[in-house]
Amino acid sequence: SQKIEQNSEALNIQEGKTATLTCNYTNYSPAYLQWYRQDPGRGPVFLLLIRENEKEKRKERLKVTFDTTLKQSLFHITASQPADSATYLCALDDTGTASKLTFGTGTRLQVTL
Amino acid sequence: ETGVTQSPTHLIKTRGQQVTLRCSSQSGHNTVSWYQQALGQGPQFIFQYYREEENGRGNFPPRFSGLQFPNYSSELNVNALELDDSALYLCASSLGQGGLTGELFFGEGSRLTVL
Repeated sequence: SQKIEQNSEALNIQEGKTATLTCNYTNYSPAYLQWYRQDPGRGPVFLLLIRENEKEKRKERLKVTFDTTLKQSLFHITASQPADSATYLCALDDTGTASKLTFGTGTRLQVTL
Repeated sequence: ETGVTQSPTHLIKTRGQQVTLRCSSQSGHNTVSWYQQALGQGPQFIFQYYREEENGRGNFPPRFSGLQFPNYSSELNVNALELDDSALYLCASSLGQGGLTGELFFGEGSRLTVL
């Protein structure tokens, strides 16, 4: 069956360090993979999209990698700040539309001083 | 602030009742998708509307239905409410089915509690 797995345990890191979050998937051939940030009680906010033919994408302190052989995406936040504390959701689309997404359960990131 | 507005923000219903949730998409966006997010889970795709037609549906029963209006706003209707329908219902809008960047703009959601 199709599955998207993200670390269910919270990730605690110190301010200034790089946070790395993992998204693994099985039985998908996604055309797109997206990362969203969600704060408690709020809707998800789009961060980055990476296409199946792209290996890496960057945006300011964020970096996403996409390995279709390993069926894995890594999401990095460099020089992390307490304001980066949130739940980060990985989402796949295999319909080619980038809008009918299947989400993972998310990983909660806590950045401490 | 994304410009996607949802109403109501919170509501409480009892089993067997019906509910209508509303969404105004971001200006210029012609596609609205609805997602259900249970506590501690990721959002689950319910269905999508593109230019007033249903354009894809997730694994939800027929008692979940929707509409899109000529101004691209949308409604989600749920009949015969069950306890498991308690969740945050999210509306997301985009330009076209994927938009130029694939970005979905989510509203803040409607929190439904079924007692």
